Amino acid sequence: ETGVTQSPTHLIKTRGQQVTLRCSSQSGHNTVSWYQQALGQGPQFIFQYYREEENGRGNFPPRFSGLQFPNYSSELNVNALELDDSALYLCASSRQNEQFFGPGTRLTVL
Amino acid sequence: QKEVEQNSGPLSVPEGAIASLNCTYSDRGSQSFFWYRQYSGKSPELIMSIYSNGDKEDGRFTAQLNKASQYVSLLIRDSQPSDSATYLCAAGRDNYGQNFVFGPGTRLSVLP
Repeated sequence: ETGVTQSPTHLIKTRGQQVTLRCSSQSGHNTVSWYQQALGQGPQFIFQYYREEENGRGNFPPRFSGLQFPNYSSELNVNALELDDSALYLCASSRQNEQFFGPGTRLTVL
Repeated sequence: QKEVEQNSGPLSVPEGAIASLNCTYSDRGSQSFFWYRQYSGKSPELIMSIYSNGDKEDGRFTAQLNKASQYVSLLIRDSQPSDSATYLCAAGRDNYGQNFVFGPGTRLSVLP
């Protein structure tokens, strides 16, 4: 157990809808990163939040957005869902360099 | 385009043998390197981190880094069936975990 929690565990949406995924970081960790992992692939970096500010972004369109709250928990929002957004969404919290992942949210877009 | 490459496998080894997993990276600015283990249907679990050239040992695991060759490896000694998983290599450019690049993973199967 890493102490990182994510909700919901599974989610089914239809194309064009919007989704919000949530993450609670490990105690003492002020940095949260979000990743998308498609089946059979490694995680792809979406963005990172540090002290409530976006602190780096991968090659994802603006319809992927996020927030970090004062307690360091975080949300990932995806608008205008596309079929290719179906994936495991992972949240990782870190203090300095080592990242620890939550259990993930499996998103299916129909 | 920063890339991390791994042989997708599957790599099959008999129980008790040494499993050798390899990874190359393209970004010469990478400073930190990580190995994660991922069981099917689960999230990645951090096994090892390595920042300097040479070897780093932790129990049955040894990570090796050669920055000149842009090469990272993970050796698993006395492999057990419970080691059967996908092993992900990741490289980071800075000291804040920003923008890690993961490889596609190597699937390891340890045969009893």
